Amino acid sequence: GENVEQHPSTLSVQEGDSAVIKCTYSDSASNYFPWYKQELGKRPQLIIDIRSNVGEKKDQRIAVTLNKTAKHFSLHITETQPEDSAVYFCAVSNYGGSQGNLIFGKGTKLSVKP
Amino acid sequence: GAGVSQSPSNKVTEKGKDVELRCDPISGHTALYWYRQSLGQGLEFLIYFQGNSAPDKSGLPSDRFSAERTGGSVSTLTIQRTQQEDSAVYLCASSLFDSTDTQYFGPGTRLTVL
Repeated sequence: GENVEQHPSTLSVQEGDSAVIKCTYSDSASNYFPWYKQELGKRPQLIIDIRSNVGEKKDQRIAVTLNKTAKHFSLHITETQPEDSAVYFCAVSNYGGSQGNLIFGKGTKLSVKP
Repeated sequence: GAGVSQSPSNKVTEKGKDVELRCDPISGHTALYWYRQSLGQGLEFLIYFQGNSAPDKSGLPSDRFSAERTGGSVSTLTIQRTQQEDSAVYLCASSLFDSTDTQYFGPGTRLTVL
């Protein structure tokens, strides 16, 4: 089945710096790649997603890039702020194929120091 | 509108007892998911209901775990003969049609098995 690896597991940056989190996956048929943010004690929430027919997507300070050939995708957060501190999860889905559910990475704990 | 709700919010039980966890998805959402999140860990997929299709049970860790979705709406996750390693937060999510739609998570049920 699908295997999703996420790096790094923890990331500490200074406020205003950029943060990059990377995920790799194993199933080349995967076609949907969302990112979820989970603040301490709260439920995960979708922050951005990308589909296999697009290479990059941006939403204000957040961007996601996808390299289907290399089977990896990355989350980029620019001008980080303390409220960006949370655990970020990547996920992969292959709806219509062998795997219809989302498989999540193990998460990255991002700490933004003021 | 109302989001995904789960009950109870907390459940403490003794080893060997059965427990039932309930999830009320967003009205009109045809897809429903159950995940398990152990302390400080990622989201472990358990089961996925999509419309009238047979559920994807591939993530259930043992035959002590089962889930139903009645009338295409409310879902119940049942854990029989609970073990201490079952202690975790059980999260439910729903999406409009399938796993390539945004998943909206409930607040979770924190299960503690003594």
